[in-house]
Amino acid sequence: GAVVSQHPSRVICKSGTSVKIECRSLDFQATTMFWYRQFPKQSLMLMATSNEGSKATYEQGVEKDKFLINHASLTLSTLTVTSAHPEDSSFYICSMGDHYGYTFGSGTRLTVV
Amino acid sequence: RKEVEQDPGPFNVPEGATVAFNCTYSNSASQSFFWYRQDCRKEPKLLMSVYSSGNEDGRFTAQLNRASQYISLLIRDSKLSDSATYLCVVKMRFGAGTRLTVKP
Repeated sequence: GAVVSQHPSRVICKSGTSVKIECRSLDFQATTMFWYRQFPKQSLMLMATSNEGSKATYEQGVEKDKFLINHASLTLSTLTVTSAHPEDSSFYICSMGDHYGYTFGSGTRLTVV
Repeated sequence: RKEVEQDPGPFNVPEGATVAFNCTYSNSASQSFFWYRQDCRKEPKLLMSVYSSGNEDGRFTAQLNRASQYISLLIRDSKLSDSATYLCVVKMRFGAGTRLTVKP
């Protein structure tokens, strides 16, 4: 089946620094990538939809200047959390696919201290 | 109203039981429906797509009711390994998930 590689799997950073998360599809091309965030004991919340070669579409309440998304190629999308703060600590996960189903990366657990 | 709403759960059932989850959605134009399974601190994994005619995969049966805007998942002969959180997904929006625990 389809494989999506996401890294890092875990990162601890200092408040005020930026963190980049990468998602790469290993065996298929994805024109659309979805980025989610999941806080403890809550569901996955869609943050944004990125389309290869164009600007990402952000969900209401998600700051586009804080969560920078780049979908530079059909196999790579990145999410950069800029000027991270403790409240940004969460589980971030990407997803690629189509109407037949979506494959998720393994997720990145971000802790901002 | 949330775009996707699920049974709150949790569901605690004995092995061998049959359990059903429902999920309602608000966007009548939705075309893609899925059930995912998420184990603790892991990424969600696709359990099955949901087709208009309903579909079955072993012990799992998924149904779609467009008129009432809900999808359902039926698990027969529950196994201990079925214990997980089940998430319905409608047009890439996730429900809050329903926690299932199957006990011996």
